[in-house]
Amino acid sequence: GAGVSQSPRYKVAKRGQDVALRCDPISGHVSLFWYQQALGQGPEFLTYFQNEAQLDKSGLPSDRFFAERPEGSVSTLKIQRTQQEDSAVYLCASSLVRTASNQPQHFGDGTRLSIL
Amino acid sequence: SQQGEEDPQALSIQEGENATMNCSYKTSINNLQWYRQNSGRGLVHLILIRSNEREKHSGRLRVTLDTSKKSSSLLITASRAADTASYFCATPIIQGAQKLVFGQGTRLTINP
Repeated sequence: GAGVSQSPRYKVAKRGQDVALRCDPISGHVSLFWYQQALGQGPEFLTYFQNEAQLDKSGLPSDRFFAERPEGSVSTLKIQRTQQEDSAVYLCASSLVRTASNQPQHFGDGTRLSIL
Repeated sequence: SQQGEEDPQALSIQEGENATMNCSYKTSINNLQWYRQNSGRGLVHLILIRSNEREKHSGRLRVTLDTSKKSSSLLITASRAADTASYFCATPIIQGAQKLVFGQGTRLTINP
């Protein structure tokens, strides 16, 4: 079956613009995660959904970042009034069960965001 | 903040040699996971080792875990050019959230 799909693969925006990044998890996966990966670094957690409920948003850097998963499948990460420090790769991952910490996560190829 | 730290940060070896990467972490864990990331791609899960396991094998991969030292190692035997990638260890936070905390990774280059 299809893996985790993210779009767009690349996004260039001017500072101050709003952007929306989409994630299509593996069908039937309950848990969904967003991570931010700076160049040469490991991914850093942003937020976690269990079905449509956002259970942890402790990693979101500021109130300019907002994520939703209204029907428990597709998720969107929105960044308002983008800043240059938002430039990074944004990775989405999904996991089959609720107890995701004991299961592998399946990652998409990410969206590379560049803020000019 | 990142819990795990991989060592070395970069490793370059000849095809056919073995590659060993190490990971240290700070807090108690119930499992530790290793992932591979090819350039420009997402992470691929390699292996999960639980806290009550000391060693685990998967094909050419061998992972060890020493909870007393809070460390793990990943050994890739008989390396191939296709093994060129970044390798990350990740540990889940037990309490509350299900998130993984990743190290900074080891960049492995296999020279043909």
